[in-house]
Formats: sequence, C-alpha cells, structure tokens
Amino acid sequence: EDQVTQSPEALRLQEGESSSLNCSYTVSGLRGLFWYRQDPGKGPEFLFTLYSAGEEKEKERLKATLTKKESFLHITAPKPEDSATYLCAILGRSQGNLIFGKGTKLSVKP
Amino acid sequence: DTEVTQTPKHLVMGMTNKKSLKCEQHMGHRAMYWYKQKAKKPPELMFVYSYEKLSINESVPSRFSPECPNSSLLNLHLHALQPEDSALYLCASSTLNTEAFFGQGTRLTVV
Repeated sequence: EDQVTQSPEALRLQEGESSSLNCSYTVSGLRGLFWYRQDPGKGPEFLFTLYSAGEEKEKERLKATLTKKESFLHITAPKPEDSATYLCAILGRSQGNLIFGKGTKLSVKP
Repeated sequence: DTEVTQTPKHLVMGMTNKKSLKCEQHMGHRAMYWYKQKAKKPPELMFVYSYEKLSINESVPSRFSPECPNSSLLNLHLHALQPEDSALYLCASSTLNTEAFFGQGTRLTVV
C-alpha cells in the first residue's frame, strides 16, 4: 500500500535557524513526489515536484531533495512568513491520485 | 496562470438546504478533483474527473453530487448535509500524472 509519513508533526524555529522537514514514503513505482505549503484556511500552494532519486529543486529559502525512500525540505535562514503547514504527497503508478502525508506545522518566531 | 478559482469562499447552510460549490480553471487541465479537509488534517479525496468523466468516487455519501459541465468547470451539489460535513472543500486540477493546483477553497458550515 502506498504511504507517506511526515516528521516532525510540528517544528518551532527562531528566525534564521535552518532546519529540515522529512517525508518518508513507500510506493510501488513513483510517478512523482510533491511539496505544498498551506496557510490556515487556504488551499495548498504548490512548491515542488521531484521525479527521481538525486533530484533537487530550489525556490528562495527552500530546497527539496529526493532519495528512493524519503524527501527532505530544507529551510535556510527561515523568516516568520515561512510559518505554515508543509504537506508532502506522492503519486504512484497504481494510484490515480495524490497520497498526502499529515503535514508538518512550521512556526518561525522573530 | 496557475489559478483555480472557487466560489463562494464561505457558505453557511441549513441541513435542509440545497447549494452548489463551483470551481473553474483555464490551464487546459483534463483532470479535476474535489477534496474535503478537516482542521489539522490533510486533504481527503472525494471525486476525480478525467476528461469530464467521473473516474474516482471515494465512497462519498450521495448527499454530495459532483458535476463536470465542461473541461474548465467543476461543480459540487450539496443536499441534506449534516453538521459533520462542515469543512474546507478544495478543488484542484492537473494534467494527468503531474502536480495538482488547488483553489483557495470554500469554507462550509452546516447548521
């Protein structure tokens, strides 16, 4: 069964304190792994798609990486406006839709 | 343009009411989705339309009725809902087997 586990559930950082969020997955044939950012009461905002192990994508203070078993979302020198819930999702060859993890709630204090 | 537009943004309805949620995209995506999201939970898939045909129905109660009038529009018709159906309803679209783009959602409250 395709599955996604995100850790930690919640992460509190000071402004400027870099860290990483983890997304572990099991899937029978990965079509893609996706990262989203979600603010309270809003729809998820697409960040990155990763397709194969070794791939990396960057956007501002965020960098996503992928191995055969997990993905990391690295946040460098975060700012308070980076506070949000970050969702990881996979699309497997046996599924026609995204499988989401439960998310990591990130809080960045000034 | 990666915009998916949902209306209304907020909806309060009684248990005997009939209402509809609307979703529109102009990205040429041929897959469209309805998700339900409760507080502090990830989005939960309800329906998938592929080329305007219903391809996935995740055992959703019949009080939720989806409709895809054309490749740009997706509706969700609501009838006789229960208070536990209160949630954020999200529409999304994608090309097949790629990332999905989400709308801002409709916050539904059933009273």
